Amino acid sequence: DTAVSQTPKYLVTQMGNDKSIKCEQNLGHDTMYWYKQDSKKFLKIMFSYNNKELIINETVPNRFSPKSPDKAHLNLHINSLELGDSAVYFCASSHPVLSDTQYFGPGTRLTVL
Amino acid sequence: AQKITQTQPGMFVQEKEAVTLDCTYDTSDQSYGLFWYKQPSSGEMIFLIYQGSYDEQNATEGRYSLNFQKARKSANLVISASQLGDSAMYFCAMREGGSSNTGKLIFGQGTTLQVKP
Repeated sequence: DTAVSQTPKYLVTQMGNDKSIKCEQNLGHDTMYWYKQDSKKFLKIMFSYNNKELIINETVPNRFSPKSPDKAHLNLHINSLELGDSAVYFCASSHPVLSDTQYFGPGTRLTVL
Repeated sequence: AQKITQTQPGMFVQEKEAVTLDCTYDTSDQSYGLFWYKQPSSGEMIFLIYQGSYDEQNATEGRYSLNFQKARKSANLVISASQLGDSAMYFCAMREGGSSNTGKLIFGQGTTLQVKP
């Protein structure tokens, strides 16, 4: 009965590699988001999709590419990983018409060595 | 530009006492939403409470209440009867106004709360 799930929970990789983080929600929400939490715990929006359409792209390097195969899934692919990409990445979802509340996944801790 | 400020990096409270976590915001929008989230040491983000800018009554959810003072642009979280499990980092966030379809949340810096037995 998980609402918003992410895989993997932990990801350790070398600089220069390409990796993906998957997100799925079973809440029937139309809108999904990716947030980044840095080492100082600061949270910032990266992307938002509404019904598979990109609606927010917050000046994120184009090495980051979100993909939404359907409105229940929003994946994040990162090319050519850099040390500065190390962070916790949170997926979230909401139903803007019914409620403003965004529900977050458990987070993926990415460590780039 | 929209901004959220949490001026208390860390707070202590005695178990069973009430505590207020401060949050001020800055926006020129008339329509906006204010949220509080809890992040325990395990790392997940847990939604606590929501206040809409047009809501006249302060939001309450169990032991959580939001002290909304629109003219002062403040949205403080009050936790009553603190429990040890309340020890966590707390984030205030604002949903940008205008079309709610964007849903972008802007977060404050967070306040770490420690509940003492």
